[in-house]
Amino acid sequence: GAVVSQHPSWVICKSGTSVKIECRSLDFQATTMFWYRQFPKQSLMLMATSNEGSKATYEQGVEKDKFLINHASLTLSTLTVTSAHPEDSSFYICSAELTLDYGYTFGSGTRLTVV
Amino acid sequence: SQQGEEDPQALSIQEGENATMNCSYKTSINNLQWYRQNSGRGLVHLILIRSNEREKHSGRLRVTLDTSKKSSSLLITASRAADTASYFCATDAWGDDKIIFGKGTRLHILP
Repeated sequence: GAVVSQHPSWVICKSGTSVKIECRSLDFQATTMFWYRQFPKQSLMLMATSNEGSKATYEQGVEKDKFLINHASLTLSTLTVTSAHPEDSSFYICSAELTLDYGYTFGSGTRLTVV
Repeated sequence: SQQGEEDPQALSIQEGENATMNCSYKTSINNLQWYRQNSGRGLVHLILIRSNEREKHSGRLRVTLDTSKKSSSLLITASRAADTASYFCATDAWGDDKIIFGKGTRLHILP
């Protein structure tokens, strides 16, 4: 079946550094991908919608300059957390829409810890 | 803002029993989906029900949708230890390709 491959699965970085998370759609093209953030024992909060070849659409309250999204090809979307701070520590998940009947497929997530 | 609200927030049942989780939402939807998430992992799509459908089955899963009450339920029959996970409903509105998740129900199956 259609798979979204997300890397890295976990990363630890120092405050002030930037971290890039990649999501690749395997065996299918993803014109649109979505980025979510999830705190422990909480639900997924949509951060932004990533559109191939155009600017991402951010949800209210999400800082565009802090969470840079690039969707340069039909199979790759990246999320860069810039100047990371401990409060950015979270679980980040990407997803892509399949068909109406099969919902969305999700990456395995990236656990970011900023120290 | 989040669309869906699940209840209960947490549920513990004995293996073999049925588990029922409910989801309510606020606006008109195109379809509603249920997902499972094992701890610290990505999400697995379980079932999608369209706004013009009232009930759908998939294996041990049964989903109902009541658009007049803006609510849905997920029933897992004959629960197993492997069903222990968090379950989320997600909705998308007409003309909108993004989905919004509810708060989720943490299900724990006791041996």
